[in-house]
Amino acid sequence: LAKTTQPISMDSYEGQEVNITCSHNNIATNDYITWYQQFPSQGPRFIIQGYKTKVTNEVASLFIPADRKSSTLSLPRVSLSDTAVYYCLVGDLTGANNLFFGTGTRLTVIP
Amino acid sequence: DAEITQSPRHKITETGRQVTLACHQTWNHNNMFWYRQDLGHGLRLIHYSYGVQDTNKGEVSDGYSVSRSNTEDLPLTLESAASSQTSVYFCASSTWTKGDTQYFGPGTRLTVL
Repeated sequence: LAKTTQPISMDSYEGQEVNITCSHNNIATNDYITWYQQFPSQGPRFIIQGYKTKVTNEVASLFIPADRKSSTLSLPRVSLSDTAVYYCLVGDLTGANNLFFGTGTRLTVIP
Repeated sequence: DAEITQSPRHKITETGRQVTLACHQTWNHNNMFWYRQDLGHGLRLIHYSYGVQDTNKGEVSDGYSVSRSNTEDLPLTLESAASSQTSVYFCASSTWTKGDTQYFGPGTRLTVL
C-alpha cells in the first residue's frame, strides 16, 4: 500500500506561490498521483493528477521527479479562498484498496 | 447536471439503533465509495463497490454494511450504532479510466449519543 506523507500545516501570504510536497516512497509502477482540495463542511474536490514529469491545469501544477518517490503541488499566487486542506493520493485506479488519503496539509492563506 | 447527493445531511441517533445513510449519483459511474472523516485521521475508506451486486470492505468496515442493487445508489448501514461511529461520512463515485478522479458528495454528519 503506497502511503503518503505530507506536512500537517502551512501558512502563506496572499499572492505568493505555495508548494506542498508529498512523499510516497513505496509508489508502484502503475500508480497515479492525485491531489484533492477540501474546504470546511464540503467533500474533497479534484485538483490535478499526474504520472510523471509535470502537469499543469488552470488551477495548479504538479511536479513529479523521475524516481516518482515524491510530488509537489504548486499553487500560483494564492488567495484567501485557497485556504483549505490538500490531500495527496497515490493509487493505480484499478483497486480501491490501493487508495489512501492520509491526513492532508492544512494551508492557511494570510492577508 | 450530473451530481452526487447524500441524505440526511445531519443525523443524531442513539447507541444501538440501526442507521442508514443514503448516497445517490447521477454520473452513471460504476464505482462508489464510502469514507469517514475524523479529526487527526483524514479520510478512511469504509466500503466500496465496483458495480451492481458488488461490495468490498475497506480499511474500517467493522460495524458497517452496504448493498448495491442499482448503479445510482450505495446506502451505508450502521447495524448497531456506537459512539465511536460519530463522524462525518462522505460518499464518492468514479469510473476506471486513465486520469479518472473521485467525485464526492457533500457529506453527512452523524452523531451517536
